[in-house]
Amino acid sequence: GQQLNQSPQSMFIQEGEDVSMNCTSSSIFNTWLWYKQEPGEGPVLLIALYKAGELTSNGRLTAQFGITRKDSFLNISASIPSDVGIYFCAVHPTGANSKLTFGKGITLSVRP
Amino acid sequence: DTGVSQDPRHKITKRGQNVTFRCDPISEHNRLYWYRQTLGQGPEFLTYFQNEAQLEKSRLLSDRFSAERPKGSFSTLEIQRTEQGDSAMYLCASSLGPDTQYFGPGTRLTVL
Repeated sequence: GQQLNQSPQSMFIQEGEDVSMNCTSSSIFNTWLWYKQEPGEGPVLLIALYKAGELTSNGRLTAQFGITRKDSFLNISASIPSDVGIYFCAVHPTGANSKLTFGKGITLSVRP
Repeated sequence: DTGVSQDPRHKITKRGQNVTFRCDPISEHNRLYWYRQTLGQGPEFLTYFQNEAQLEKSRLLSDRFSAERPKGSFSTLEIQRTEQGDSAMYLCASSLGPDTQYFGPGTRLTVL
């Protein structure tokens, strides 16, 4: 099936550092989404990307839709402790405008 | 709060028992989705409603699972004869049309 690859599984950074995480696939997708999930809560949408090459920012977060439509990256600048959480990429599988397919997520830890 | 709400937030049950979860979507959102999430994984799609019609079901949704959205507003997910493998976080999401899905806080099910 369609699979999204997120690695590494965990990242540890110092407060104030920038961090970049990416999401890749062997398939082409027309929408890329980035969600953040905190313990015991549901995922919260951070950024949605709809066009290849698109670069979108949301505060300290910036995400890009890869030109090949097979990847996306999320960058967090000047990290703060509340950035801790699991970051998931998600796509609408080809031919479906309903369900989302998620990657396995990257757990981000921020050391004060 | 006008976000997606789910009830209960936590459920502990014994194997073989039936459980039912409720999801109240964002008002006026015509689409409602159920996902299941296990530890270390992203959410996995279970089923999707457009208004009261259940339009898609995943192969993950065994015969023991049933979902309803009788009036096109709230939805219920029932699991009959629970098994230990059903232990997971059950997430509900809603959207207006094919756009952004907003997730609820989830119901964490533990089957003993």
